[in-house]
Amino acid sequence: GIQVEQSPPDLILQEGANSTLRCNFSDSVNNLQWFHQNPWGQLINLFYIPSGTKQNGRLSATTVATERYSLLYISSSQTTDSGVYFCAVVDNQGGKLIFGQGTELSVKP
Amino acid sequence: GAGVSQSPSNKVTEKGKDVELRCDPISGHTALYWYRQSLGQGLEFLIYFQGNSAPDKSGLPSDRFSAERTGGSVSTLTIQRTQQEDSAVYLCASSSRVNYGYTFGSGTRLTVV
Repeated sequence: GIQVEQSPPDLILQEGANSTLRCNFSDSVNNLQWFHQNPWGQLINLFYIPSGTKQNGRLSATTVATERYSLLYISSSQTTDSGVYFCAVVDNQGGKLIFGQGTELSVKP
Repeated sequence: GAGVSQSPSNKVTEKGKDVELRCDPISGHTALYWYRQSLGQGLEFLIYFQGNSAPDKSGLPSDRFSAERTGGSVSTLTIQRTQQEDSAVYLCASSSRVNYGYTFGSGTRLTVV
């Protein structure tokens, strides 16, 4: 099945810094989503982005489907950005999201 | 409802007992998904429903696990003869159509003692 790899696995930032999280996937996909899991375990859908670029406030995401990667940009990070960021994809045959192992982000004040 | 609702939020059960976990999706969402997350791990797919049918139940770990959905709405995940390795957070998500943006519930934390 399709493989999803995220990097880095862990990231520590000082408040106000910018960061880029990467998601590589092993096959063509027709659906890619980014999620944030906060320290209380709640999963929030950040972007549905099978291709192209989207922005939502300080967050933006770009997916280059032909090169099988997606990037999540966090600008001017805040302590509330802490948590785990997951990338998830659906392959062209399936109906379910396959999740990467996540990037654990810690933003220090 | 406004969001995906799961109950109970926490469940402690004795090894060997059966448990039922409930998911109430967003009204009108036809697709419903169950995932499991063990401590510090990623999300493991269990089963998904399109309407009341389950096109993919390949993630169910054993025949002790079953799920159903009725009326295209509420879903129940049942674990029979629970084992300690079943301890995890069970997450439910729904979407307006298959492969579209997921909305997750807050999960049920299951502890088998």
